[in-house]
Amino acid sequence: GQSLEQPSEVTAVEGAIVQINCTYQTSGFYGLSWYQQHDGGAPTFLSYNALDGLEETGRFSSFLSRSDSYGYLLLQELQMKDSASYFCAVRAGNQGGKLIFGQGTELSVKP
Amino acid sequence: DTEVTQTPKHLVMGMTNKKSLKCEQHMGHRAMYWYKQKAKKPPELMFVYSYEKLSINESVPSRFSPECPNSSLLNLHLHALQPEDSALYLCASSRAGESYEQYFGPGTRLTVT
Repeated sequence: GQSLEQPSEVTAVEGAIVQINCTYQTSGFYGLSWYQQHDGGAPTFLSYNALDGLEETGRFSSFLSRSDSYGYLLLQELQMKDSASYFCAVRAGNQGGKLIFGQGTELSVKP
Repeated sequence: DTEVTQTPKHLVMGMTNKKSLKCEQHMGHRAMYWYKQKAKKPPELMFVYSYEKLSINESVPSRFSPECPNSSLLNLHLHALQPEDSALYLCASSRAGESYEQYFGPGTRLTVT
C-alpha cells in the first residue's frame, strides 16, 4: 500500500523559515511532489524531486532522501500569502497515472 | 496557456437531477483527471484519462459517469446523486506519464439537496 505522513498544522511568523516534513511508504517510488492550496482555491504544483537532494525555486525549496523515505518543503522569508495547505504526493507504483496525496499541512503565517 | 477551466463554478442539484461538469485545457496535455475534495481533506482521485481513454476508475459509483470527447475536454455526468456527494470537484491535466506535475482547474462546488 501507499501512505504519506505530514504534520496537520504549522504556525510561523512573517519573515521566518518553516519546514514541512513528509515521510512516505510506497511500493515502487518515482518521486515526491508538493502542492499548495489556498482556502477556496485549487491545488498548485510547487515542485517535484525524483532524485536525492535539494531543489530550489525562489523562496521555496524541496528536499528528498530516498534512503530515508523522507522529504521536506522549505519556505523562506515567509509572507502572509504563504498561509495555505501544503500537500506532499507520490505516484502510485503500479498505477503511474495515480497521484497519492498526504493529508496536508495547514500553514498559518502570523504578522 | 497554463490554464484549466471548469464550468460551472457552483452547482446545486436535487437527488433526481441530471447535470454535467465540464473541464477544458489547451496545454496539449494527454492525461486528464477528476478529483473529489471535501473540506480540510486532500483531493481524492476518481478517474484518469490517458490519450482520451479511461485508464483508472477508483471504484467510483456509477452515478458519476466520465467522458472525454477529445484531448482538450473532460466531462463528468452526474445522475441521482446523494447529499454526501456534495464536495469540490476538481479537474486536472498533465503530460502523459507525468502525473507528478498536474495543473488543476478552479473546481466546481457541488451541493446536492
